[in-house]
Formats: sequence, C-alpha cells, structure tokens
Amino acid sequence: AQSVTQLGSHVSVSEGALVLLRCNYSSSVPPYLFWYVQYPNQGLQLLLKYTTGATLVKGINGFEAEFKKSETSFHLTKPSAHMSDAAEYFCAVSDYRGSTLGRLYFGRGTQLTVWP
Amino acid sequence: GAVVSQHPSRVICKSGTSVKIECRSLDFQATTMFWYRQFPKQSLMLMATSNEGSKATYEQGVEKDKFLINHASLTLSTLTVTSAHPEDSSFYICSARDQRTGGIDEQFFGPGTRLTVL
Repeated sequence: AQSVTQLGSHVSVSEGALVLLRCNYSSSVPPYLFWYVQYPNQGLQLLLKYTTGATLVKGINGFEAEFKKSETSFHLTKPSAHMSDAAEYFCAVSDYRGSTLGRLYFGRGTQLTVWP
Repeated sequence: GAVVSQHPSRVICKSGTSVKIECRSLDFQATTMFWYRQFPKQSLMLMATSNEGSKATYEQGVEKDKFLINHASLTLSTLTVTSAHPEDSSFYICSARDQRTGGIDEQFFGPGTRLTVL
C-alpha cells in the first residue's frame, strides 16, 4: 500500500529564504512521486514529478525535489522564497501498474507562509 | 497543456435538493476521471474513479447512491450530489488522466467546485 507523510502542516519563511517542505512516503512498489501546489479555492497544479532516472527533479517556479530511496523521502526545496509562493503544497505517491497511472495518495498538505 | 474545467465553480443549494457538477477535459480525451473531496485545511480524499462507458468505482465509505457519477463521454464526467445535506458542503475537485503521451501518464486537475448546502 502507498501512503505519504508530510512533516509540518505549516511552514513559515521570510522572503528570500530557503524553502524546505518535507515528504516521506511508503510504497510497496517503486514509487512515482509528485508535488502539487494549491492556491485558495483553486484546483491542484503540478509542480514536479519523479518517475524514473535522475533523482533530482526540477519543476516550475524554481522548485526542485530529490528522491532519496534510502530515506524514502521526496523533499521539496526552493533556494529563495517569493511572496507568490504562499500556498498549500501536497506531496503524492501514485499507485501504478507499468506505465499506467492509477490513483494518487496525497499527504495532508503543508501550508507555506512567506513573510515580507 | 492539458486543461480540465469544472462547472459550476460555486453552488449554494437548499438541503434536500440535488446538485450536478460537471468535469470536462478541454483538449484531450480522458478515459479515466477521478473525483475528490477536500475539507477545509485537509488533503484530498478520493471518492471514486470514473471510467468512460462503465460504472464508477467508489472508495470505501463513499455512498454510491448519494454521489452519482456518470462518465458518458471521453471528455465529460458528472458528479451528482443527491438529496444534499449541510454535511455534504465541501470542495469537490475532479481530475482527468491524459494517456496520450508515451510513458507515464498524468492526472490534470480541475479548479474545483465549492458546494454549500444550507
């Protein structure tokens, strides 16, 4: 079975500071991992995803995440926070069969606040 | 890129009435769509998986007679909340799976529908 744990429901950083959002997963198969961002009253937008290959994945808006199998982690980082990064972030792991993406298992989310 | 729309974006209804929410894939065909429910400050809870031309697969604990899902075409799935009650008030989000490209496919999410039942 797949599951996701996001450590810290709220993270606050100053503008320009490093952003680190933590995600650990549990999966019975090699995982496909995702980070999504959600702005208030909107759906989810894909930031980045890891499927196979390079473990450091770069996404949109300057975000990146590194898949660490030994630590079962997929933490999201951004070197310098911007006010527009304030949002809810969800980590997810997929339930897939071969190349067919099945359901996504989401973490509880981390609310990122960026202070000026 | 792949775009998924939902209609309406917000709906307010009286207790006991039924509400239909539409989910459309605008520029691709989606053989599979997913319906999620999200409570305030919480994660998305998968309600059901909708496959075009067949019955939806509901997650455990989701009442199929209350949340009717129809996936009549490759670009449209509907969720009908029947006999809505205040506890059904929530944010409903759909996603559609785009399998056009080779390799791993991807889910694209709609903007969500805010349902308020008075």
